[in-house]
Amino acid sequence: EDKVVQSPLSLVVHEGDTVTLNCSYEVTNFRSLLWYKQEKKAPTFLFMLTSSGIEKKSGRLSSILDKKELFSILNITATQTGDSAVYLCAVDNNNDMRFGAGTRLTVKP
Amino acid sequence: DGGITQSPKYLFRKEGQNVTLSCEQNLNHDAMYWYRQDPGQGLRLIYYSQIVNDFQKGDIAEGYSVSREKKESFPLTVTSAQKNPTAFYLCASSKWTGENEKLFFGSGTQLSVL
Repeated sequence: EDKVVQSPLSLVVHEGDTVTLNCSYEVTNFRSLLWYKQEKKAPTFLFMLTSSGIEKKSGRLSSILDKKELFSILNITATQTGDSAVYLCAVDNNNDMRFGAGTRLTVKP
Repeated sequence: DGGITQSPKYLFRKEGQNVTLSCEQNLNHDAMYWYRQDPGQGLRLIYYSQIVNDFQKGDIAEGYSVSREKKESFPLTVTSAQKNPTAFYLCASSKWTGENEKLFFGSGTQLSVL
């Protein structure tokens, strides 16, 4: 059975800290891995990763995929209170999108 | 503006009642999905549809039904057989080009049982 596991489930940091969120997966037919940010309602897209070792970057956020070890990390540097959200990892298995349970990040002032 | 619209935002269901959640998209996307989100459990797939008049069960389809009569619409019915329907329901859509495509999400419907 395909599965996606995120860790930690929750994380509390202070502004300025750097955080690393983890996502490991087991799927039978991997196509891509995606990261989403969910602040209140609709998740918003952050990154799509298809190739190992190529870092994707957007401002203070970056992500990388390791297809050999079957995991991805999402890094956020110099965190701000606006980064507080649930971060979702999803894997496209060529049929549908499988989501992890999410990591709830809280950034305190 | 193109997007995906869910309605209503909040819905209350009485015991033994069927309720239908609406999902409409004007993005010309082929694929549509329904997810259920419970606290601490992330998103779980209920049903998905890649083309009109065809849909597939996800991991937790029991107690739910869907239809896909039009490309733009993918309504979800929560039947009385679903004994624990209280959750946040998210609809999503994507292109289906054979290439990697990201999901676009609606704003969700919070369903509660009276």
